[in-house]
Formats: sequence, structure tokens, C-alpha cells
Amino acid sequence: KNQVEQSPQSLIILEGKNCTLQCNYTVSPFSNLRWYKQDTGRGPVSLTIMTFSENTKSNGRYTATLDADTKQSSLHITASQLSDSASYICVVPGGFGNEKLTFGTGTRLTIIP
Amino acid sequence: DGGITQSPKYLFRKEGQNVTLSCEQNLNHDAMYWYRQDPGQGLRLIYYSQIVNDFQKGDIAEGYSVSREKKESFPLTVTSAQKNPTAFYLCASKREGTGESYGYTFGSGTRLTVV
Repeated sequence: KNQVEQSPQSLIILEGKNCTLQCNYTVSPFSNLRWYKQDTGRGPVSLTIMTFSENTKSNGRYTATLDADTKQSSLHITASQLSDSASYICVVPGGFGNEKLTFGTGTRLTIIP
Repeated sequence: DGGITQSPKYLFRKEGQNVTLSCEQNLNHDAMYWYRQDPGQGLRLIYYSQIVNDFQKGDIAEGYSVSREKKESFPLTVTSAQKNPTAFYLCASKREGTGESYGYTFGSGTRLTVV
């Protein structure tokens, strides 16, 4: 069964600090992994897409890493801002023609001033 | 400005009623999806449509129905057969392509509450 597990479930950090969110997946075959940001009461917004050949990709203060061997991804947020408070969801499609998405339950990040 | 519009943002349903959630996109995407989001759970697929006049059941289709008469529109009806409809409903569409151009766009969601 395809699964995506995220940790921690929730995280509270001070504004300006860095943090790292984790995603472990067992989806096979693997083609890509996506990180989404979801503000409360809103739809998810794409942060980055990682293909199996990519190890690191940055989008502003967000840096995603992927280790296809261990089936792990991380999302690192640098110099956090209050607007980073949201849920961060890891999503993995079935791959190679199987587009069914498997969603993680998300990490709820709260930035406090 | 292209995107997906879901309406209404909040919806209240009485027991035994059917309600319809609207999803409209002007992105010219072929594929559209409906997901349900519950606290502490990942999004779950209700229905999806890859082309006009065609749609398939997802993992939790019981108690829901959809139609796809136009490329731009994919309404979801929550019927009285859905025993636990209170949830946040998200509509999405998908762009074909490669790399960053390939991906899913989500609407802002509809929060449905049974009263």
C-alpha cells in the first residue's frame, strides 16, 4: 500500500529561526514528490516538485531535499516568518502513468513572534 | 487571472438534503479532481475526470455524485446517502507537461457542515 508519512505532526518555532520538516514515502514506482503549503481554510499551493534525479531544490527560503534510496524528503525553511505559519503537505503520485496521489497528513507549523 | 474557483466557501446542510459544490476553472486543464480533507488525515480522492463527459470514482465515492458537461466545470453533489459529510472539500485541476510546468492547482475549498 502506498503511504506518505510526515513528521513532526506539529511544530512551533520563533520567528527568524530555521526548521526542517520530514517526509517518508513508500510509493512505488516513484516519479516525483511535491511539497505544498496550505494556509488555514485555503487550498494547498505548490512549493516545489522533486523528480527522482534531483537531490536538492530551492524556492526562496524553502529548500527541499530528496533521497530516493532511503525514500525520504525534507523541507527546510530558513529565517522563518509569521506568514510561514501553515500546514505543509508532502504528496507523491503513483508514478509512470499512475497519477493517483498519496497525501501525507501534513505538518502544522506555527511561527510565533 | 487564471485559476480555480470554488463556491460557496461555507455551506450548511440539513440532514437528508442534497447539496452541490461548485468548481470552475479557466486554466484550460483537462483533468479535474475532488478531494475531501478531514482533520488529521491526508486528502482523499472522491471523484476525478480526465475529459469532458467522463469521470471515475476515487477512493471514497459513496454518497457523492459528479458531472462533467463542460471542460471548465466539475460540480460535486453531496447526497443524503453520505453519512458523514462534514468536511473541507477541495477541487483541483491538472496541467500536463514536464518539470515545474506539470502539476496540480487547487481551489480555495468549501467547508461543508451538517446542521
